[in-house]
Amino acid sequence: AQSVTQLDSQVPVFEEAPVELRCNYSSSVSVYLFWYVQYPNQGLQLLLKYLSGSTLVESINGFEAEFNKSQTSFHLRKPSVHISDTAEYFCAVSGLSGGYQKVTFGTGTKLQVIP
Amino acid sequence: DAGVIQSPRHEVTEMGQEVTLRCKPISGHNSLFWYRQTMMRGLELLIYFNNNVPIDDSGMPEDRFSAKMPNASFSTLKIQPSEPRDSAVYFCASSLGQGAAGELFFGEGSRLTVL
Repeated sequence: AQSVTQLDSQVPVFEEAPVELRCNYSSSVSVYLFWYVQYPNQGLQLLLKYLSGSTLVESINGFEAEFNKSQTSFHLRKPSVHISDTAEYFCAVSGLSGGYQKVTFGTGTKLQVIP
Repeated sequence: DAGVIQSPRHEVTEMGQEVTLRCKPISGHNSLFWYRQTMMRGLELLIYFNNNVPIDDSGMPEDRFSAKMPNASFSTLKIQPSEPRDSAVYFCASSLGQGAAGELFFGEGSRLTVL
């Protein structure tokens, strides 16, 4: 079985300040890791993903995440947030289960950027 | 591409009525997922289809829920009879390949309110 833990349900941060959204996972098999973002009244959109290779992955809008196998973590960071980053962020893990790549989502972290 | 298309976007119905939610996945995608999102339980996988065949329906809450995928471009999720606790946002997502080794593409969701 696999699971994802996002300990912070809400993270308020001032505009232009750095932010880190934490994600830890548990799995008995090799996994792929994802961060999705959900803006109000919309579906989830892929922000970034780790499949293999470099453990540091980046998005086009300045977010980055680092896969740490020993700590089973995939924390999301941004050095300077904008108002437009206000959204809910979901960490997800995809691993082989029952013969197919099954995705398990965390409970989400609401990022509130304060002007 | 138009993305994943869901209808209706909003549905308000009374307890006991039948509800049918519809999804058109992205053309060429062979995996389709139905998720339910609530404040209490977060994002839950209801059912996963691969090449129009249900592969994992372990998340379907009970017999009142049923899902079909008659062809590669259409799927339905039916609730009969509906209950107030079914109130949630239902998302359809599609992906290329077996399960979700890569990216899930979500629709904008169908918000269901059962009175």
